[in-house]
Amino acid sequence: AQSVTQLGSHVSVSEGALVLLRCNYSSSVPPYLFWYVQYPNQGLQLLLKYTSAATLVKGINGFEAEFKKSETSFHLTKPSAHMSDAAEYFCAVSDMNTGFQKLVFGTGTRLLVSP
Amino acid sequence: EAGVAQSPRYKIIEKRQSVAFWCNPISGHATLYWYQQILGQGPKLLIQFQNNGVVDDSQLPKDRFSAERLKGVDSTLKIQPAKLEDSAVYLCASSLGAEYYGYTFGSGTRLTVV
Repeated sequence: AQSVTQLGSHVSVSEGALVLLRCNYSSSVPPYLFWYVQYPNQGLQLLLKYTSAATLVKGINGFEAEFKKSETSFHLTKPSAHMSDAAEYFCAVSDMNTGFQKLVFGTGTRLLVSP
Repeated sequence: EAGVAQSPRYKIIEKRQSVAFWCNPISGHATLYWYQQILGQGPKLLIQFQNNGVVDDSQLPKDRFSAERLKGVDSTLKIQPAKLEDSAVYLCASSLGAEYYGYTFGSGTRLTVV
């Protein structure tokens, strides 16, 4: 079954610094990969998705992620952090083992942004 | 387009009581999911519907949890009787179904069992 591993339950950066959130996947077939963001007391919002087209995927709010098959990674980056980026971020992989799509989520990384 | 609607937003009940959550997916989305998100963890799939049929309920604690999706649209998730460990956010999501789409999530229902 497909799975994802997010390294680091918390990541702290200063405003204006580079954001790097790590995600590694395990999949027996070419995966579809997603990053979601969750703000306090809200549902999950799709940031970006990899669907086997371009390996560098651009999403909302200035985030992007690069699919690296050789490293089985799909890390999320943003060149310059903003205070409003403070949230929980989840990496997810599409699993089709039932014949229907379901998303399997990682444990999440909380991004803390300091002034 | 309207998003995924969930109600209530918050619920506090005593253990052994029953509770029900409601979800209205995006119009036209055939696939509906209920996820449980315990504090500090990623969402865990409880049940997945395709139209009004269940395609995956392998992680649903069937002795206390039940769910239905009437007419392939709205869905209800019920817990009876509730346990302390059921305290979590219950997220409903819907999708067009193709694996490259991802989901649209509702805002969730935060359940506290005391």
